[in-house]
Amino acid sequence: DTAVSQTPKYLVTQMGNDKSIKCEQNLGHDTMYWYKQDSKKFLKIMFSYNNKELIINETVPNRFSPKSPDKAHLNLHINSLELGDSAVYFCASSYMAGGQDEQFFGPGTRLTVL
Amino acid sequence: GDSVTQMEGPVTLSEEAFLTINCTYTATGYPSLFWYVQYPGEGLQLLLKATKADDKGSNKGFEATYRKETTSFHLEKGSVQVSDSAVYFCALMPSYGKLTFGQGTILTVHP
Repeated sequence: DTAVSQTPKYLVTQMGNDKSIKCEQNLGHDTMYWYKQDSKKFLKIMFSYNNKELIINETVPNRFSPKSPDKAHLNLHINSLELGDSAVYFCASSYMAGGQDEQFFGPGTRLTVL
Repeated sequence: GDSVTQMEGPVTLSEEAFLTINCTYTATGYPSLFWYVQYPGEGLQLLLKATKADDKGSNKGFEATYRKETTSFHLEKGSVQVSDSAVYFCALMPSYGKLTFGQGTILTVHP
């Protein structure tokens, strides 16, 4: 049983298009996250939701919009894709925001913008 | 703000060699410290953690000790295997806030 799943695994698209990545967790966690990993493996948090409420919103362009329909799902919609958006996007979840809790990561979505 | 600095990679070792990956941090208060590992083509998974000063985290032969006096959390393993080849991330989490990662260290172990 997959704990944190993401779809799609690979996404290749043209500049200017709009795309979405979906994330689901079956761990019963209250907090979910989106991270971006660049080509040098550097990981940076983009957003965090706790119980469907946005609690972390890093300096991410407005073209990125997260949506959490319920505690188990956190989707990421990207408008007007740019070359610099090419990266691997990871979804993660944890019981609580902050503290000692381990974060569980999905397998990642590799986005390539042509 | 909080930050984590890891030793530059990549690191290349022969099987059964000793591994150290240095990690130092800057944070206010008393954060929890983590090592995550990313195997090729996969997401990150927790390797070990320590939640207070002098705690030692250990898992799969890896160890790291939370050293408040030197603000360090170095990862060690006495004898690496080819299957340990991966990217290793040091990270810190304050009581409430975001997980901050180091830049990652690529480890390659040759037979």
